[in-house]
Amino acid sequence: DAGVIQSPRHEVTEMGQEVTLRCKPISGHNSLFWYRQTMMRGLELLIYFNNNVPIDDSGMPEDRFSAKMPNASFSTLKIQPSEPRDSAVYFCASRKSGTYNEQFFGPGTRLTVL
Amino acid sequence: AQSVSQHNHHVILSEAASLELGCNYSYGGTVNLFWYVQYPGQHLQLLLKYFSGDPLVKGIKGFEAEFIKSKFSFNLRKPSVQWSDTAEYFCAVNARDDKIIFGKGTRLHILP
Repeated sequence: DAGVIQSPRHEVTEMGQEVTLRCKPISGHNSLFWYRQTMMRGLELLIYFNNNVPIDDSGMPEDRFSAKMPNASFSTLKIQPSEPRDSAVYFCASRKSGTYNEQFFGPGTRLTVL
Repeated sequence: AQSVSQHNHHVILSEAASLELGCNYSYGGTVNLFWYVQYPGQHLQLLLKYFSGDPLVKGIKGFEAEFIKSKFSFNLRKPSVQWSDTAEYFCAVNARDDKIIFGKGTRLHILP
């Protein structure tokens, strides 16, 4: 089992550039979550999908952030334009439906916006 | 709405000390409870979970947690901590939908 796969692992970009983060959930998992983690704000849920449909995007900071899940095995989180305050570690997680099932986290993408 | 409260933001202990991290949740119905650990520079990993049965749950690396329904609590314990337990610990709850609610985390620092 490969686990949740995220790419890139590290991203350094300049303010104003578009950033796309990618996630491949564990096969068979039908819920996918995007989190952001910073020292100041801790772990924040940005958005989650169930069966490829966005269910709750109330954590998305602003219109510069967008997320898609075109199929069960792929999701993207896009920031356009990026700003220095977007610097954080972005985690993707997946789980199989059922309240007793835990979430599995990917290794994260460390984003630095200069 | 479901919520999770972790009482301590930062805990410092010496090796071999006993550990107890507090966690309370707010939801009146059936819940499933989790503790995750995040070692420095790594992602969150599951330590243990409770969904039914024996309220005392044993997890990896000698950790255990006790579900006390009357107190809405799920405290994490370890009788003797090691330097390698230095990490951030997150309590989480799931009740009705696919979203697991995480607490704000407790940073544990073990002095060698």
